Amino acid sequence: DAGITQSPRYKITETGRQVTLMCHQTWSHSYMFWYRQDLGHGLRLIYYSAAADITDKGEVPDGYVVSRSKTENFPLTLESATRSQTSVYFCASSDSGGGGEKLFFGSGTQLSVL
Amino acid sequence: GQSLEQPSEVTAVEGAIVQINCTYQTSGFYGLSWYQQHDGGAPTFLSYNGLDGLEETGRFSSFLSRSDSYGYLLLQELQMKDSASYFCAVRGGGFKTIFGAGTRLFVKA
Repeated sequence: DAGITQSPRYKITETGRQVTLMCHQTWSHSYMFWYRQDLGHGLRLIYYSAAADITDKGEVPDGYVVSRSKTENFPLTLESATRSQTSVYFCASSDSGGGGEKLFFGSGTQLSVL
Repeated sequence: GQSLEQPSEVTAVEGAIVQINCTYQTSGFYGLSWYQQHDGGAPTFLSYNGLDGLEETGRFSSFLSRSDSYGYLLLQELQMKDSASYFCAVRGGGFKTIFGAGTRLFVKA
């Protein structure tokens, strides 16, 4: 009963490098989300997905790429990391039916871009 | 676009009642949720209001007024463990869910 898992838990990278954050859920939830959390800004939506092969931009999508080839996986890629992308990243999932208003969050990935 | 406003900080004493307000501007509104987050942890779901009125879950209640674009979270019989950040979130079209900046609750003995 893994639920929703994110990896890695911590990541340090350098400016300009490509970084991929992984998210995997075992519930077969239709919806998946990526948020970043910075002090003073709460949780800001980067991208979300309604199903496999369906993704849409959130509030702050620039500099990020997502894919969803399988329902259970929703990786987030920073194509060329910048210092402003230093943040805590949370992945979340929710069902599409009754109870779909409830988001389940992973433990987060703390990313530092030097 | 969507935006949510909530107070940045609230302080209350143990055993008291505290209310955290949330006002929102959004298109395609489907409901208002509340989440709790302790330092170093992930947000966890507390409650959801899809219709006007009060929803009660133990010591926590949440209220929604769609006509006023307003909601609140009410925490009763405050305990030290309630010290955390509380976020309101709006679910819009396509299940797009946007969060407020969060309210930091400090519970004093």
